[in-house]
Amino acid sequence: GAGVSQSPSNKVTEKGKDVELRCDPISGHTALYWYRQSLGQGLEFLIYFQGNSAPDKSGLPSDRFSAERTGGSVSTLTIQRTQQEDSAVYLCASSLWTGEDEQFFGPGTRLTVL
Amino acid sequence: QQQVKQSPQSLIVQKGGISIINCAYENTAFDYFPWYQQFPGKGPALLIAIRPDVSEKKEGRFTISFNKSAKQFSLHIMDSQPGDSATYFCAASSRGSQGNLIFGKGTKLSVKP
Repeated sequence: GAGVSQSPSNKVTEKGKDVELRCDPISGHTALYWYRQSLGQGLEFLIYFQGNSAPDKSGLPSDRFSAERTGGSVSTLTIQRTQQEDSAVYLCASSLWTGEDEQFFGPGTRLTVL
Repeated sequence: QQQVKQSPQSLIVQKGGISIINCAYENTAFDYFPWYQQFPGKGPALLIAIRPDVSEKKEGRFTISFNKSAKQFSLHIMDSQPGDSATYFCAASSRGSQGNLIFGKGTKLSVKP
């Protein structure tokens, strides 16, 4: 039984470039969450999906951030025109359904913006 | 506004000792309080969780104590081991919400042999 996987594990990019981060949730999990973990900080909620829809995008820090989910499975978080303050570990989690207690986290993608 | 406050930021404990990490929350709608353990380079993993209908939950060496009136909860690690060295996050969520977790800022625990 595979857990949540994320790719790439590390991404170094230049300021102003666009990046895409991918999350493969646990098979059968309908809820998917994106969090951001900055150095020395807790996890900051970004967005969640129930199926393919994202009812609440208010956690996204700016309009440069967007996310989509297709087929109720894979999700992509896109950051346009990256800034240095976007440098962080981006974590994805999934659960059986929205509001189900346990969220299973992936290993994260470490993004470094130079 | 930080909804979940966690302390201490770091903790050093001798092997065999008791590690205690505290969290306080503000939103009385929260009804689920998990603790996550994170090792370097890994994602957080659920350690133990509690709902406000009980005041204590124990799983092996890990115990959550919950004080609803004070809006506080804590993690106790008994007989701490070097393998427990990790960062611990408390969190909270509301069943009526979308389920996203509100995390504390974490406690880095080091257990010295």
